[in-house]
Parts: sequence; structure tokens; C-alpha cells
Amino acid sequence: EIVLTQSPATLSLSPGERATLSCRASQSVSNYLAWYQQKPGQAPRLLIYDASNRATGIPARFSGSGSGTDFTLTISSLEPEDFAVYYCQQRSNWRTFGQGTKLEIK
Amino acid sequence: EVQLVESGGGLIQPGGSLRLSCAASGFTVSSNYMSWVRQAPGKGLEWVSVTYSGGRTYYADSVKGRFTISRDNSKNTLYLQMNSLRAEDTAVYYCARGTYCGGDCYGYWGQGTLVTVSS
Repeated sequence: EIVLTQSPATLSLSPGERATLSCRASQSVSNYLAWYQQKPGQAPRLLIYDASNRATGIPARFSGSGSGTDFTLTISSLEPEDFAVYYCQQRSNWRTFGQGTKLEIK
Repeated sequence: EVQLVESGGGLIQPGGSLRLSCAASGFTVSSNYMSWVRQAPGKGLEWVSVTYSGGRTYYADSVKGRFTISRDNSKNTLYLQMNSLRAEDTAVYYCARGTYCGGDCYGYWGQGTLVTVSS
């Protein structure tokens, strides 16, 4: 099973700041990595697929990069609605999710 | 408009069975990759099962042999039959439609249904 490790576990930032979230895979997943956002009491929302492609309707401030084992989700300038938990997911070898990064307001 | 509405969750004793339903609208379940993903209270996401449009099904090792995913095309509904339930199966269960990555990334999710396994 491919293990995805997200860091940091919690990220405290202010609106307007840049957020950088990391996801590291235990073995190469090529570019088969997605990012989801989840707010309390809500279902996850797909943000990025295949490492760097934004899903329909996702604002341009969200971007993804990386390949192989190291991936990054960047939010260029945080909006109040961006504070949530973010998960990465791989589909290279079945499907697994990372444990999540909580993005909280500083 | 695409909608997924789960139902069937509840409190069940260890060893018991439960069937979850996911009623879909705005698209055809039979021609899509449909999955179940669960989330234990306060924890992260765990993929459970997928059914492909051709009928193949796959399961996470943690539920293999106990859970069965199926579809009723006439009702446009996805199911998850859960047998031999354990405390560690306690979670919110989401159904999800694969709309990206050839069906392996989930663009649509239901609101989830809570399954609590406890005596």
C-alpha cells in the first residue's frame, strides 16, 4: 500500500498570505495525485487532479505541482473561505489518502 | 443538476449487517465509476470500494469479504452491503462519482451517512 504523508499537520496563516502544503508518497505515484478540501460537516471537494490540473470551478489561486513522490498544493493568497482541511489522494496503486493538513486562521 | 443522496446509516451492533443506499440524479450510475469513501469520527478519508461502469468491483483490504458494492440501474442507485460489522467500521460513509482521472478522482460527493457500530 502506498502511504501518503502530509505536512505540516496544522498550518496557521492569515488571510492574504501564501499557503504551501506538502504530500509525500512512500513510492512513486507518477503524477496520479489529487487534492481535496474539506470543511467541517461537509463532504470533500476536489481541487486538483493529476498533480497540477484544477477541477472545474476551482479558483486560480489554487495550484498543484510535483511528480513521483513529492507534491505541493499552493494557495497563492488565502481567502477566509480557504481555511479547512486538505487531503491528498493517490490513484497509482489503488487509492489512498493522506492524513490531512488543517489550515487554520492565525 | 448532479446529486448524490446517501441513506441507511444508523446504530448497529458488532457482527450485524447494514445496507447503505446512494440515490443519484442528474447522471446515470450505470455508466460511471462509483465509489464509497468513509471517514471515521475526527479522522481522515479512507477509500472503501469502487464499481466500474463495466461491472468490475474492488475493495479495500479492510473490508474485503465483508462488504459488497452493487448498483440498481433501474433505480439509479448505488449500494453498499456491509456484513460482519466491527467497531472500526464506525464512520461517515460517502458515495462519490468519479468524474476526473478516468473515474478515479471524485468530483461529486453525497452528504454522507453515519454508521455507528457499538453494543
